[in-house]
Amino acid sequence: QSALTQPASVCGSPGQPITISCTGTSSDVGAYDYVSWYQQHPGKGPKLMIYDVSNRPSGVSNRFSGSKSGNTASLTISGLQAEDEADYYCNSYTSSNTYVFGTGTKVTVL
Amino acid sequence: QVQLHESGPGLVKPSETLSLTCTVSGGSISSYHWSWIRQPPGKGLEWIGYIYYSGSTNYNPSLKSRVTISVDTSKNQFSLKLRSVTAADTAVYYCAKGAGWWFSWGQGTLVTVS
Repeated sequence: QSALTQPASVCGSPGQPITISCTGTSSDVGAYDYVSWYQQHPGKGPKLMIYDVSNRPSGVSNRFSGSKSGNTASLTISGLQAEDEADYYCNSYTSSNTYVFGTGTKVTVL
Repeated sequence: QVQLHESGPGLVKPSETLSLTCTVSGGSISSYHWSWIRQPPGKGLEWIGYIYYSGSTNYNPSLKSRVTISVDTSKNQFSLKLRSVTAADTAVYYCAKGAGWWFSWGQGTLVTVS
């Protein structure tokens, strides 16, 4: 199974919105609403930000939202803040009954 | 909220077996799926597989021939064995609660193959 495709880096100014894409195929992202997103700060473990495409766990800021169109899922951070600078990974269920992560995106706050 | 803690050797020789245990505290291991995920230094996350408390398993096809995940409900633990390791298996190994999305994670443990 191939990793889902994410942009290597995305940057934005404080207060601006950014969107991270996660492109898969009709056998994973496009087939199921089982996409999740993780935030990872340097030297730390991943933190769940979004599950099942657009659901936010309790405790996660409502500045984070998820969506999906066709084979591409997206994570949007509205009102970018300094603490949002981190790596972000998407994950999807696949038709092979397995799970695959994205390649990862480094978010930089200018 | 459950807490997870990985334990095991931090150094494994090539061709040998990597063995890690995840101890779950603050809740029962029963009635849930439990996963292993790894991250090579400077690289992305890779799903290794999961086990249901009853013992049924599901593995990443790329690792399936070398991986075994087992559970010990009496100890509230689950374990990972990865056979015939090479330098490419050097990574931080995380245990996590769940199968499709992971809210609770261990702190991760670095295993170096050398």
